[in-house]
Amino acid sequence: SSELTQDPAVSVALGQTVRITCQGDSLRSYYASWYQQKPGQAPVLVIYGKNKRPSGIPDRFAGSSSGNTASLTITGAQAEDEADFYCNSRDSSGNRLYVFGTGTKVTVL
Amino acid sequence: QVQLQQWGAGLLKPSETLSLTCAVYGGSFSGYYWSWIRQPPGKGLEWIGEINHRGSTNDNPSLKSRVTISVDTSKNQFSLKLSSVTAADTAVYYCARQFVVEATFLYYDAIDIWGQGTMVTVSS
Repeated sequence: SSELTQDPAVSVALGQTVRITCQGDSLRSYYASWYQQKPGQAPVLVIYGKNKRPSGIPDRFAGSSSGNTASLTITGAQAEDEADFYCNSRDSSGNRLYVFGTGTKVTVL
Repeated sequence: QVQLQQWGAGLLKPSETLSLTCAVYGGSFSGYYWSWIRQPPGKGLEWIGEINHRGSTNDNPSLKSRVTISVDTSKNQFSLKLSSVTAADTAVYYCARQFVVEATFLYYDAIDIWGQGTMVTVSS
């Protein structure tokens, strides 16, 4: 089955820009979706498709993709953005199987 | 506003069967995939499986056929059963809604609504 690899942790100064990456073979064929999870809460969808944001998600969140890598960029990070972020994509086999990335802890300094 | 409310037993003994149900309120049941996802304490998310309103299922091969997902469209509910649980199955279990957009040369999907989560502990 596919794997999606993320850096375990990144930090960003308040107001600066941070990029979180997700690598995996399936990303050559399928878009990643991105989820923000704060402690004790269910994940929240922040980016899907080709850089689409659900209603209520600030426009400082943006998605992109190139080859086997999907990226989530937070431009002008705020204190409330501190959270775990997970990517998710369909398995590269083409079957309806899904895999989550290993997760990235974002710390806002 | 669509909401998912889930419930089920929170404490199991090894070899027992985990059973959770998720009810969908305030929206259509058809046209989506209804998923189960879990998260062991301090760890990442794991996709368990999904079902659509027709009862077509897919599940994670890593769970070695222990998973049964069913749907009751008359109640707008779907359920998860995980057999022969061990301590490794201790996790927060989430139900969720996944939408799919599919057209010529276009495909994307995402999980847009999550249940509140149920902590399931397996301990003797």
